[in-house]
Amino acid sequence: DTGVSQDPRHKITKRGQNVTFRCDPISEHNRLYWYRQTLGQGPEFLTYFQNEAQLEKSRLLSDRFSAERPKGSFSTLEIQRTEQGDSAMYLCASTPLGETQYFGPGTRLLVL
Amino acid sequence: QQQVKQSPQSLIVQKGGIPIINCAYENTAFDYFPWYQQFPGKGPALLIAIRPDVSEKKEGRFTISFNKSAKQFSLHIMDSQPGDSATYFCAARKDQGAQKLVFGQGTRLTINP
Repeated sequence: DTGVSQDPRHKITKRGQNVTFRCDPISEHNRLYWYRQTLGQGPEFLTYFQNEAQLEKSRLLSDRFSAERPKGSFSTLEIQRTEQGDSAMYLCASTPLGETQYFGPGTRLLVL
Repeated sequence: QQQVKQSPQSLIVQKGGIPIINCAYENTAFDYFPWYQQFPGKGPALLIAIRPDVSEKKEGRFTISFNKSAKQFSLHIMDSQPGDSATYFCAARKDQGAQKLVFGQGTRLTINP
């Protein structure tokens, strides 16, 4: 499968715990995006990378969130001290510059 | 601020009918308007996209109509099938900068057999 992959697909955690999600983009796609989707809503932009550089972060991305893309390949999104309001689907998308964004299957997070 | 407004929230159509989903945008700097289809538990998948210099684009059974002066665009699905039952999202983005997608709220479409 040459599409965008995300791991894990589902994560249940207790409030206050840290979680980390991984996204593997389509090979040679230099842009990688993270979005968050809550139930019944469209995805909302969180942050994006061009190669290894994180170029923009949404105000939705509080200090508890951090994202990395070492070497411009896969990316990780970490949430520290999770809160119930963090429960959502976290989507990753990748694209060659200026083209269509291709989404992964998402990681569904439930914070108890 | 909701930059892309989508309606209706839900839609039920009989097989063979033509569901129409509408979107309106505020930011005239948007350059690219895609529609995504999402099945439960899956990520959004691109269906069709249009740029504002074109008033209509057709790909298979899917057609986008675009009205630049009204800042509105819509998706039409011809000869709808039960397999088209999904949530549909319109989106918009600029060509410059982050090119982040701004999504509408989504329309849950059900096609009855």
